[in-house]
Amino acid sequence: EDQVTQSPEALRLQEGESSSLNCSYTVSGLRGLFWYRQDPGKGPEFLFTLYSAGEEKEKERLKATLTKKESFLHITAPKPEDSATYLCAVRASTSGTYKYIFGTGTRLKVLA
Amino acid sequence: DTAVSQTPKYLVTQMGNDKSIKCEQNLGHDTMYWYKQDSKKFLKIMFSYNNKELIINETVPNRFSPKSPDKAHLNLHINSLELGDSAVYFCASSPGGQETQYFGPGTRLLVL
Repeated sequence: EDQVTQSPEALRLQEGESSSLNCSYTVSGLRGLFWYRQDPGKGPEFLFTLYSAGEEKEKERLKATLTKKESFLHITAPKPEDSATYLCAVRASTSGTYKYIFGTGTRLKVLA
Repeated sequence: DTAVSQTPKYLVTQMGNDKSIKCEQNLGHDTMYWYKQDSKKFLKIMFSYNNKELIINETVPNRFSPKSPDKAHLNLHINSLELGDSAVYFCASSPGGQETQYFGPGTRLLVL
């Protein structure tokens, strides 16, 4: 069964304390892995798309990497404004149809 | 100049009622989606339309019926509302089926 699992469920960091969020997936026919940020009461906001193992993308303090089984979202020297829920999603294609599967997210809190 | 908009933002209604949620995107995208986010923040795709044609129809009760009058609009009609329908419903759009999705602000539905 296609599945996306994110860990940890919640993470508290001190400002400046770097860490990584994990997204493990088991899907057939991966056609992209997406990272989103969701603030309370708002819709998810796109961060990165990764398509193949070994690919990396960077944006400010965030860096996303992809292997054949998982993706990491590295946060370097986080600031309180990085506090949010980070969602991972995969787009999978089987038999000509495709679907999107989201993980349950990692709630990040960065303390000043 | 909101990219993806939804109305209403909040919807409180009684069990058994019929209600609609509207979504509009001004990004010129071909594909639109409806997602349901439950109380545990799990985001699950319900439907996807490409150029007014239904391309993803996940297993949802047939009380839910999407309608796409044109490429820029995808409305969600729900018949005979049940308590379990209470959730946040997000509309999203993307340039094509493989591209990044842009989410609306969500409609918070509460069924009493």
